[in-house]
Amino acid sequence: QQQVKQSPQSLIVQKGGISIINCAYENTAFDYFPWYQQFPGKGPALLIAIRPDVSEKKEGRFTISFNKSAKQFSLHIMDSQPGDSATYFCAAGVNNAGNMLTFGGGTRLMVKP
Amino acid sequence: DAGVTQSPTHLIKTRGQQVTLRCSPKSGHDTVSWYQQALGQGPQFIFQYYEEEERQRGNFPDRFSGHQFPNYSSELNVNALLLGDSALYLCASSLKANQPQHFGDGTRLSIL
Repeated sequence: QQQVKQSPQSLIVQKGGISIINCAYENTAFDYFPWYQQFPGKGPALLIAIRPDVSEKKEGRFTISFNKSAKQFSLHIMDSQPGDSATYFCAAGVNNAGNMLTFGGGTRLMVKP
Repeated sequence: DAGVTQSPTHLIKTRGQQVTLRCSPKSGHDTVSWYQQALGQGPQFIFQYYEEEERQRGNFPDRFSGHQFPNYSSELNVNALLLGDSALYLCASSLKANQPQHFGDGTRLSIL
């Protein structure tokens, strides 16, 4: 019940295209959904996060879409750039339980020039 | 403004040994969480420290223990190392337990 399932495992997008990564969860207690970006040899960096009281949040080229009834959320990267090539992780946490994060398995994104 | 710093960056141990990893949180942060990231997988929560006490714990055996000091820095100790403990150990800090977590670059632990 604590799992967060992420897809696809890998993604290749042309420069300027839209990258879409999807996540699904089971635990309805989750109320905090961050996305992290990780480059090789580095720790995950917080990109954007959403709480279930909104259906969409946009920060620059990054947008989270959230569907509470379907227990799904997704990350859209608009105008994808080669510098966006990294591994992306969705996560979920329970805000009142210390935000102990449960991570998805990751999506390796490659943006071709 | 220093971010989360972890030491050492790499460590090689043999089975049965013990290891201590260290973490200094981002300036102003008082909560530290530890995660284990196996190669090619997402991080898994080990435990969280706030006010020098373990507040939350993930599904890890008692061989994994920790400590938080008055200056909010933290240590992760692993006893009786197994080959399966080889992983990247990540420390994350936050201002209070329910605020966004910021990660360090981790300690790469290899068990021979």
